[in-house]
This record gives sequence, structure tokens and C-alpha cells, in this order.
Amino acid sequence: NAGVTQTPKFQVLKTGQSMTLQCAQDMNHEYMSWYRQDPGMGLRLIHYSVGAGITDQGEVPNGYNVSRSTTEDFPLRLLSAAPSQTSVYFCASSYREKLFFGSGTQLSVL
Amino acid sequence: AQTVTQSQPEMSVQEAETVTLSCTYDTSESDYYLFWYKQPPSRQMILVIRQEAYKQQNATENRFSVNFQKAAKSFSLKISDSQLGDAAMYFCAYRTGMNAGGTSYGKLTFGQGTILTVHP
Repeated sequence: NAGVTQTPKFQVLKTGQSMTLQCAQDMNHEYMSWYRQDPGMGLRLIHYSVGAGITDQGEVPNGYNVSRSTTEDFPLRLLSAAPSQTSVYFCASSYREKLFFGSGTQLSVL
Repeated sequence: AQTVTQSQPEMSVQEAETVTLSCTYDTSESDYYLFWYKQPPSRQMILVIRQEAYKQQNATENRFSVNFQKAAKSFSLKISDSQLGDAAMYFCAYRTGMNAGGTSYGKLTFGQGTILTVHP
């Protein structure tokens, strides 16, 4: 039972590079979300989706894009990475009040 | 907007002793959930316990229990008989209830986290 799968687990980028963090879930959950975790700030919501074709911004959306073409996948795109985007990123899917988290991606932007 | 505050950046406890982690929140909603998540060094987010706001009874899961004070907007976590494996970062989190409608029910608001150290 895979649950929520995030790739890659670690990534180093140079300022200005682009990349996509992948997130897939096999539980047929409608709701998916992306969070970033920074020291002293907990986890903050970047973007979320309530179903295929529907996305919306969270608390810290600037510099990130998302799309939801299928129920299973919810990729997070960094179009032009900045050092301020160095963080740990978590994808989550949810059913009713329960959230299921991926194992996280540690991203460093130099 | 809801806010969650954990005022203890770090806590420590002796093995087998009891420790309480504090959490306060601010909301104008009446229907919501509160959670405690554990994050060990593996980075995995593990749900420890959850509390529905409409329930007066405090939630309990084995050695973990909460003290939910709705009027005071306080939600503390008590860990009894602490074990070395309890050492981790602990996050308090808030989520709008499903009865509130709309899409907000899926969003979590987290506190800053408390690092718990367990001494043998």
C-alpha cells in the first residue's frame, strides 16, 4: 500500500533553475495539498486541490505553480528557484478529517 | 484566519516521566479539529492524536492524552511514561470542520513545533 509518494527525496538547485516536485497518491482522495516546512515556522500551506482540474492558493503560493490533471497526481513546479525556497516540502492527501503525508522532499537552492 | 501557537521551542523529559506540550489557537469557528503530529528525524509526519471540537471528552491514545480547553482555546498534549522513541518534533495543528462547508476543511494550520528530548 504505497499511500502518498513524493519524489525526489533530496534535490539541490542553482538559483534560477526550474524543477517539478512529484506527488502521487493511490487512495483515490479528492483533496491534495503541498506544504513547506521551515525552522521555527512549522508547516505552511502552498497550494491545494479539491479535485482534478481544481486548484487554489494557500498561505505562501508565490514562486510555485500547481496543476491537477488526474486524481492521483499533484505536481509542484518551481519556475525560477530562489534561495528563499530552500525548505522541506510535504505533499498530503486527505479523506474527511485525516491527512496522509508523503515522506518529504528536502530542497536546497544555492 | 486561524493561528496556532506553540510557545515551547524545546522541552525535555526523563525516560518514564510525564511531559506536557502546550498549544493555543485562535479561531472564530465552532466546528474544527485539532491534531498533534510527531515528526521524528526520519521526517515522517505521524498523527499522534486528534480532537473534535464538539466533543467535550478529551481524546486519549495509549500513553498520549490531551487537555482540550475550548473556552480558553488551549490544546495541550500529555505524554505519560515517556520513552526514548518519543523524542521528536511535535506539531499542533488546526483544521476547519467539514460541516463548515466549502473547501477549507482540508487545510491545516500548524504551530511552530516543539522539539522533545527524552533523557535515559
